[in-house]
Amino acid sequence: AQTVTQSQPEMSVQEAETVTLSCTYDTSENNYYLFWYKQPPSRQMILVIRQEAYKQQNATENRFSVNFQKAAKSFSLKISDSQLGDTAMYFCAFMNQRGTYKYIFGTGTRLKVLA
Amino acid sequence: EAGVTQFPSHSVIEKGQTVTLRCDPISGHDNLYWYRRVMGKEIKFLLHFVKESKQDESGMPNNRFLAERTGGTYSTLKVQPAELEDSGVYFCASSTRTGTGEKLFFGSGTQLSVL
Repeated sequence: AQTVTQSQPEMSVQEAETVTLSCTYDTSENNYYLFWYKQPPSRQMILVIRQEAYKQQNATENRFSVNFQKAAKSFSLKISDSQLGDTAMYFCAFMNQRGTYKYIFGTGTRLKVLA
Repeated sequence: EAGVTQFPSHSVIEKGQTVTLRCDPISGHDNLYWYRRVMGKEIKFLLHFVKESKQDESGMPNNRFLAERTGGTYSTLKVQPAELEDSGVYFCASSTRTGTGEKLFFGSGTQLSVL
């Protein structure tokens, strides 16, 4: 069974600094998708970034980038120039490219950006 | 465009009572998912609809939970009778295509408290 592990329950970072959130996963599949979702205090989760496992190039979305290490089954999220609005819960998620298509989430990392 | 809508946003009930949660996905989204997050734990998959059909209900905890999606539009999740361990945040999400790794659009969730 696939699992997703986020080993950092809470983190904090100073505004304008860079922070990296870690995520590891376990799967025997070769093709899959990985995601980072953000849940701000308003509670509605939104997609931050998405990575397709067959692509070697790390995904980037403005200040957000990932370090995808397929062999190590690692998928960390780097937030550059942190802003107060980045304060949220961040969930790492995995989805198979075939099968039941359900998303497997980690336990989340609560990130607080300090002024 | 309206997003995924869930109601109620909060529900407090006593053990043994019945509660029905509702989710209105984004219009045209064939895929509808229910997830649950118990305090401090991972977001767990409950089930997946494709239109009105249950694609995967492997995450449903037990037969006290009943999900329906009438006509492939909105969905309800009924818990009857509710138990203390059913407390948590119930999320609904929708997407257009199945199995393509496209992003999920989430509702704001229903916070269920069973006393």
